[in-house]
Amino acid sequence: KAGVTQTPRYLIKTRGQQVTLSCSPISGHRSVSWYQQTPGQGLQFLFEYFSETQRNKGNFPGRFSGRQFSNSRSEMNVSTLELGDSALYLCASSYGQGNEQYFGPGTRLTVT
Amino acid sequence: GQQVMQIPQYQHVQEGEDFTTYCNSSTTLSNIQWYKQRPGGHPVFLIQLVKSGEVKKQKRLTFQFGEAKKNSSLHITATQTTDVGTYFCAGIGVRNQGGKLIFGQGTELSVKP
Repeated sequence: KAGVTQTPRYLIKTRGQQVTLSCSPISGHRSVSWYQQTPGQGLQFLFEYFSETQRNKGNFPGRFSGRQFSNSRSEMNVSTLELGDSALYLCASSYGQGNEQYFGPGTRLTVT
Repeated sequence: GQQVMQIPQYQHVQEGEDFTTYCNSSTTLSNIQWYKQRPGGHPVFLIQLVKSGEVKKQKRLTFQFGEAKKNSSLHITATQTTDVGTYFCAGIGVRNQGGKLIFGQGTELSVKP
């Protein structure tokens, strides 16, 4: 069974630009969660989608948004990038609420 | 809101020594999960504990869930260099209607050969 895939793996953007990251969950998984990871900050929860609906949202500004498609693939978008948005963005999929999460390799975003 | 704290933040051990990381939640948890992230990698699910007082073992790793379901620990016996990485606990509060999984800050383990 293929694992969670994320594209792109690396991205360099300039302050003020926007970016879209993609996540393909494990086949059969309907829940997709997004996390931001920076050194010393652990895993900061961004949002979770289940069956195309946002079920949970973390404490991030409105510049961070996401969506999920009918095939469970998910995208997250960050608009008006700031230097502080530089981080590893991880996507995780699971069967549903409370189940173990399977993480993708992440997208390393660098904002200059 | 629900918070999950992990201690210590860093732990440096000599190969062969034991290691323990502790996880404490501000609220009662319905379950606790543990993940390991190797340097440069992504978190990988290790185990889930559900019952009060539950103890599970995976080779040299022992996981415990507290009686009050508000704390948990991961103990590694006789560490090896392959144990290097950051260990995260994550839990869902029993009153968390949305079922959001809250991660601790992680404990970074380094093992000196």
